[in-house]
Amino acid sequence: ETGVTQTPRHLVMGMTNKKSLKCEQHLGHNAMYWYKQSAKKPLELMFVYNFKEQTENNSVPSRFSPECPNSSHLFLHLHTLQPEDSALYLCASSQEEQNKYGYTFGSGTRLTVV
Amino acid sequence: EDQVTQSPEALRLQEGESSSLNCSYTVSGLRGLFWYRQDPGKGPEFLFTLYSAGEEKEKERLKATLTKKESFLHITAPKPEDSATYLCAVQPYNFNKFYFGSGTKLNVKP
Repeated sequence: ETGVTQTPRHLVMGMTNKKSLKCEQHLGHNAMYWYKQSAKKPLELMFVYNFKEQTENNSVPSRFSPECPNSSHLFLHLHTLQPEDSALYLCASSQEEQNKYGYTFGSGTRLTVV
Repeated sequence: EDQVTQSPEALRLQEGESSSLNCSYTVSGLRGLFWYRQDPGKGPEFLFTLYSAGEEKEKERLKATLTKKESFLHITAPKPEDSATYLCAVQPYNFNKFYFGSGTKLNVKP
């Protein structure tokens, strides 16, 4: 158990579907992150939330919509995705945004867009 | 431009065969360099943070070192359970984000 829980673990969706990814942490961390991991590519930062406020949107297409209702929960709402959006989506948290101790990652949601 | 390059992309070792993974970086002021281990189907797991050139950190068969241009992850007498992808990330001093490398996939054969 890493302390960061992501659901679902796997998701297959059509291009016209709407789905949501969920991330939950009970580590008392204040910052939460969404990353995209594609094969043989570096992790791509998508969104950063610090104390529930979005502090970073790394030029992510609007078909990805984050939501952070409190410091423990983070969602990624998906709609009208493209096949190239298929990837592993990782949630992470840290004690603070300028954390020197690194992130605690969840196990990820493996997303396949068909 | 800040960037991180890891080499080799993949490494196959026999059990007990020591080797090193490389992480080269260019960044405008380094706050910290981080090593993670990622097993298939899981998220990255934090291993080490290095802050300044000359610093070393050890954990079991792993030792991380840092210079002003690169970091090495030395693996001594590896075991099959060390098989994983090892990721390097740098945090610039004036930015609140990490830049990750593409990783080195290590396979240790018994």
